[in-house]
Amino acid sequence: DTGVSQDPRHKITKRGQNVTFRCDPISEHNRLYWYRQTLGQGPEFLTYFQNEAQLEKSRLLSDRFSAERPKGSFSTLEIQRTEQGDSAMYLCASSLRTAGDNEQFFGPGTRLTVL
Amino acid sequence: QKEVEQNSGPLSVPEGAIASLNCTYSDRVSQSFFWYRQYSGKSPELIMSIYSNGDKEDGRFTAQLNKASQYVSLLIRDSQPSDSATYLCAVNYMRFGAGTRLTVKP
Repeated sequence: DTGVSQDPRHKITKRGQNVTFRCDPISEHNRLYWYRQTLGQGPEFLTYFQNEAQLEKSRLLSDRFSAERPKGSFSTLEIQRTEQGDSAMYLCASSLRTAGDNEQFFGPGTRLTVL
Repeated sequence: QKEVEQNSGPLSVPEGAIASLNCTYSDRVSQSFFWYRQYSGKSPELIMSIYSNGDKEDGRFTAQLNKASQYVSLLIRDSQPSDSATYLCAVNYMRFGAGTRLTVKP
């Protein structure tokens, strides 16, 4: 399978717990994005990496959220002290940044439920 | 004003008809535009990208871009029931609209 993969696919946690999600991009892609999507809304941008550098973070990304992409390969998204409002689908996408082209390919997502 | 706006629908068309989906954006200097299809419970799937004013065709899909009017559209010809999904417009690859739900009736 050469697509974007995410793990786990589903996560149920209690309020106040920490959770960590993993994303493995398409192997030759140098950009990796994290989004959050709630029912009836489009994906909401959280952050993105070019190789291992985190180039942009959304203002909506509170200090409870952190993302890493060590060595420019897979990425992790951690949410500390989860709140019920964090319940959403967390999507990862990757792209190969070339001049005039930055088409993103999405993984299947991780659905988070905070009880 | 939202950065990317779409009519939430639902938009209902009969099988074989043309479905027209519209999107407006607020950032005048936007350079890249994308249409994604999202089936219920699935992740978005890229349909088309467009970067220059005018039309771009790919099979049954045509994307239209008018930067002066800050408007991008997607036409689906010969609509099929399998086209029933939510269509997301994305601007500068990170700003998504809320999507338009399309239903194609047999």
